[in-house]
Amino acid sequence: DAGVTQSPTHLIKTRGQQVTLRCSPKSGHDTVSWYQQALGQGPQFIFQYYEEEERQRGNFPDRFSGHQFPNYSSELNVNALLLGDSALYLCASSRGGGNEQFFGPGTRLTVL
Amino acid sequence: GQSLEQPSEVTAVEGAIVQINCTYQTSGFYGLSWYQQHDGGAPTFLSYNALDGLEETGRFSSFLSRSDSYGYLLLQELQMKDSASYFCARGKATDSWGKLQFGAGTQVVVTP
Repeated sequence: DAGVTQSPTHLIKTRGQQVTLRCSPKSGHDTVSWYQQALGQGPQFIFQYYEEEERQRGNFPDRFSGHQFPNYSSELNVNALLLGDSALYLCASSRGGGNEQFFGPGTRLTVL
Repeated sequence: GQSLEQPSEVTAVEGAIVQINCTYQTSGFYGLSWYQQHDGGAPTFLSYNALDGLEETGRFSSFLSRSDSYGYLLLQELQMKDSASYFCARGKATDSWGKLQFGAGTQVVVTP
């Protein structure tokens, strides 16, 4: 049973560019949440998708957007990248938004 | 500021017991979770407390006191592999669909 998978593993972009990160949830899970984790900090909630709709959103600007597909996989898009967007981006899946979330290995984004 | 407070670092020897405390703001509190994260790895779920009391899972136990807005994670019989960051996380009552708010994390260092 595959866990949560994310791609790519690492990514280097320059300021102003756009990036798309991808996530496949654990088998049987229908809810995907995205988190940003800066070095030495806890994960910060970006948003959550369920039934292909954004259900919850954290305190992130509109430059951060996402999508969920019918197979429950999800994408995170960040436009107009800033240096401060450099972080580990984590995807977590759960069943019906439950409190036990299963995290993927993350995508390490570096903005130069 | 952080609505969850936990110590930044704890050091202990193998075989010892470590308690990681977590205090949180009570507004809309739903439950308290604990996650472990090794360097370069994904957070993994350890436990969840919605009601007062102690939850035991092998060498790890978690406690919650809603009246004191306080919880802790107890690591017993410490092993070298327990060296990691430990995060407490809360979900809000109005956002029970898995929107987790994480503390900044406690780095546990286990020495021989």
